[in-house]
Amino acid sequence: EAGVAQSPRYKIIEKRQSVAFWCNPISGHATLYWYQQILGQGPKLLIQFQNNGVVDDSQLPKDRFSAERLKGVDSTLKIQPAKLEDSAVYLCASREKTGGGYEQYFGPGTRLTVT
Amino acid sequence: GNSVTQMEGPVTLSEEAFLTINCTYTATGYPSLFWYVQYPGEGLQLLLKATKADDKGSNKGFEATYRKETTSFHLEKGSVQVSDSAVYFCALSDHGSARQLTFGSGTQLTVLP
Repeated sequence: EAGVAQSPRYKIIEKRQSVAFWCNPISGHATLYWYQQILGQGPKLLIQFQNNGVVDDSQLPKDRFSAERLKGVDSTLKIQPAKLEDSAVYLCASREKTGGGYEQYFGPGTRLTVT
Repeated sequence: GNSVTQMEGPVTLSEEAFLTINCTYTATGYPSLFWYVQYPGEGLQLLLKATKADDKGSNKGFEATYRKETTSFHLEKGSVQVSDSAVYFCALSDHGSARQLTFGSGTQLTVLP
């Protein structure tokens, strides 16, 4: 079974530029998450989708971040304009319900450096 | 709100040493508890989980027991290997419809040969 795919793996941009990340979840997983992981910290949830609808975007900085999940499969996360503090690894995860555990499967992440 | 507190790292051990990484949580109700591992350059992988009090999760020689009375989920391994070097994250998920994960800050483990 293929895992969660993300691209690009690395991105370097200057502040005030825009950037987009792509995620392809595991086939059949209805729930998709985007996390931000700043160096030395645990992942922090940015947005959660159920199929193509937003379940929770309360921690998404909506003045500069946007995300969509057209057709309930692939998802893109965009930052425009980027700030220095956006330097982080952006993780995508999708969820499979396994008994009561509700396991999330993570992609390899996109490491963003804003200079 | 929910929160997870992990022991501060980094942790450096010699091969075959005993490992404990402490994790405590704050949550309403009885969440599910997880340990995730992140190897260099890779995404997070689920290491083990426990869904109710007194459950013991285990995988690859690692164990953790869900202790409701102390709100803890400490990770242990009797004999670590160099290949266990990674960052370990404790996390919880509530049983609401969103099933969102709340992570601790992570503990860097380095095992020396």
